[in-house]
Amino acid sequence: QQQVKQSPQSLIVQKGGISIINCAYENTAFDYFPWYQQFPGKGPALLIAIRPDVSEKKEGRFTISFNKSAKQFSLHIMDSQPGDSATYFCAARQGGGADGLTFGKGTHLIIQP
Amino acid sequence: EAQVTQNPRYLITVTGKKLTVTCSQNMNHEYMSWYRQDPGLGLRQIYYSMNVEVTDKGDVPEGYKVSRKEKRNFPLILESPSPNQTSLYFCASSPLGSWTTGVSSYNEQFFGPGTRLTVL
Repeated sequence: QQQVKQSPQSLIVQKGGISIINCAYENTAFDYFPWYQQFPGKGPALLIAIRPDVSEKKEGRFTISFNKSAKQFSLHIMDSQPGDSATYFCAARQGGGADGLTFGKGTHLIIQP
Repeated sequence: EAQVTQNPRYLITVTGKKLTVTCSQNMNHEYMSWYRQDPGLGLRQIYYSMNVEVTDKGDVPEGYKVSRKEKRNFPLILESPSPNQTSLYFCASSPLGSWTTGVSSYNEQFFGPGTRLTVL
């Protein structure tokens, strides 16, 4: 049973455009929702994270929008650049004292110059 | 430099030949974890450890073992590897969450560079 569903699987955006990746979850016990960015040959690295009591968090060109009632959250990359080309994973952290992350299947993002 | 290191980075082996993938972190983190990454499946947790001598199963523990004898090291052991364990493996570490203090925060999990394992 996949607990975090991520879409699309791949995405091509023109330079300067907005990249949007969506995730949905079922488990209401999740207490944090991070996004990780992975470049080829590297391990994932934290990009931005949000708590479920916050509807939006922005860090530079990256914004998480969170809809608790719909159990959905999304990553928006404004003014997308070729250097943003990577695989993006949404994740959810189990609450109750555990640190385990449940990941989405990933989105391969390509920013075309 | 704060980092998580894994060795080896690449490994080709044959079915049934025991192997160990080492993981070490220099950040004094309590929490360590192993994930496997497969195309179209994302990252799935194999085992995790919340402190020395404390380990627990993740979502896909079958065929794997771990140990946590020291805080900095968390080796992944495949006693009898099989072809379906061909994958990209990542070790990760983080401080424990601070919910015990009543302050909710997210502690970043730092990932190693990965170990690409092929089992023939």
